[in-house]
Amino acid sequence: KNQVEQSPQSLIILEGKNCTLQCNYTVSPFSNLRWYKQDTGRGPVSLTIMTFSENTKSNGRYTATLDADTKQSSLHITASQLSDSASYICVVSSQFGNEKLTFGTGTRLTIIP
Amino acid sequence: NAGVTQTPKFQVLKTGQSMTLQCAQDMNHEYMSWYRQDPGMGLRLIHYSVGAGITDQGEVPNGYNVSRSTTEDFPLRLLSAAPSQTSVYFCASSHNRGDTEAFFGQGTRLTVV
Repeated sequence: KNQVEQSPQSLIILEGKNCTLQCNYTVSPFSNLRWYKQDTGRGPVSLTIMTFSENTKSNGRYTATLDADTKQSSLHITASQLSDSASYICVVSSQFGNEKLTFGTGTRLTIIP
Repeated sequence: NAGVTQTPKFQVLKTGQSMTLQCAQDMNHEYMSWYRQDPGMGLRLIHYSVGAGITDQGEVPNGYNVSRSTTEDFPLRLLSAAPSQTSVYFCASSHNRGDTEAFFGQGTRLTVV
């Protein structure tokens, strides 16, 4: 069964600090891995997307990494801001042409001043 | 562009009532989908459509109907609401099913009492 597991479930850090969120997956065959940011009461918004051949991708202060061999991904947030408080969802896509998405349960990140 | 618009934002239903959640997009996307988001679980696919006149079931379709008469609109109908359908519902759209750039609506929080 395809699964996406994220850790930690929740995280509290001080404004300005860095943090790293983890995503492990057992999805086959692999197509791509996405990270979404979901603010409270809003829909998910895409941050990054990586295919099998990509190891790292950045979007401003967000940097995602992918190790397709170990089936692990991380999302690193640099110099956190209060607006980074949100849930971060890892999503893995399987199969080309008939794509199925498997969603993680998310990491709830809280930035405190 | 408004993106993906969902209405209503909040709804309370009594068990057995029916209702329609509305979803509209103005990006001329072919692929649209409905998800539900429950505490402690990742988003789960209810129904999807790859174009006007074409719909198919997702992971959790029971108790829901959809139709796609136009490219822009993809309403989700609850036939006879049950407390188990209490959830947050998200509509999403993208150019095609494999498109990594999926856009989500703001969600509808539904409570069935």
